[in-house]
Amino acid sequence: EDQVTQSPEALRLQEGESSSLNCSYTVSGLRGLFWYRQDPGKGPEFLFTLYSAGEEKEKERLKATLTKKESFLHITAPKPEDSATYLCAVVRVNYGQNFVFGPGTRLSVLP
Amino acid sequence: NAGVTQTPKFRVLKTGQSMTLLCAQDMNHEYMYWYRQDPGMGLRLIHYSVGEGTTAKGEVPDGYNVSRLKKQNFLLGLESAAPSQTSVYFCASSYRTVRDPYNEQFFGPGTRLTVL
Repeated sequence: EDQVTQSPEALRLQEGESSSLNCSYTVSGLRGLFWYRQDPGKGPEFLFTLYSAGEEKEKERLKATLTKKESFLHITAPKPEDSATYLCAVVRVNYGQNFVFGPGTRLSVLP
Repeated sequence: NAGVTQTPKFRVLKTGQSMTLLCAQDMNHEYMYWYRQDPGMGLRLIHYSVGEGTTAKGEVPDGYNVSRLKKQNFLLGLESAAPSQTSVYFCASSYRTVRDPYNEQFFGPGTRLTVL
């Protein structure tokens, strides 16, 4: 069964303390992996798309990487405004626009 | 541009009642989606549409129906609401490019539905 898991479930960091979030997937054929950020009470906001193993994308303090089994979202020197839930999602071969989301990692960055 | 809008923002229903949630986008996107989000379960796809007049089932379609009569609108219907349908519902839209059909989704603000 295709599955997307994320770890840890929750993470508390001090401002400036770098860390990584993990998204592991077991799917029959990956077409793309997406990272989103979701603030409380709002809809998810797009961050990155990764299409193939070895690909990396960066945006400000965030860097996303992709291997054949997992993706990492690295957060360098986080600030309190980076506090949010981070979601990953995959789209699979032969499944059209049927996206599968992971449960998310809730990140808190303390000042 | 308003992006993706959802109506209503909140709704309380009694078991057995029906309702329709409206999603509208002004970005001329081909694809539209309906998700539900429950604590600890992430977003789950209910139905989606790849164009006007076409719809397809997602991961959790039972108890819901959808229609896309106009490109900019995607309606989600609950014919006979059940407490298990208490959730936050998100609509999203996306676009197709020549290079790749899988692009980022733009989400609406959500509808919080409670079924008593």
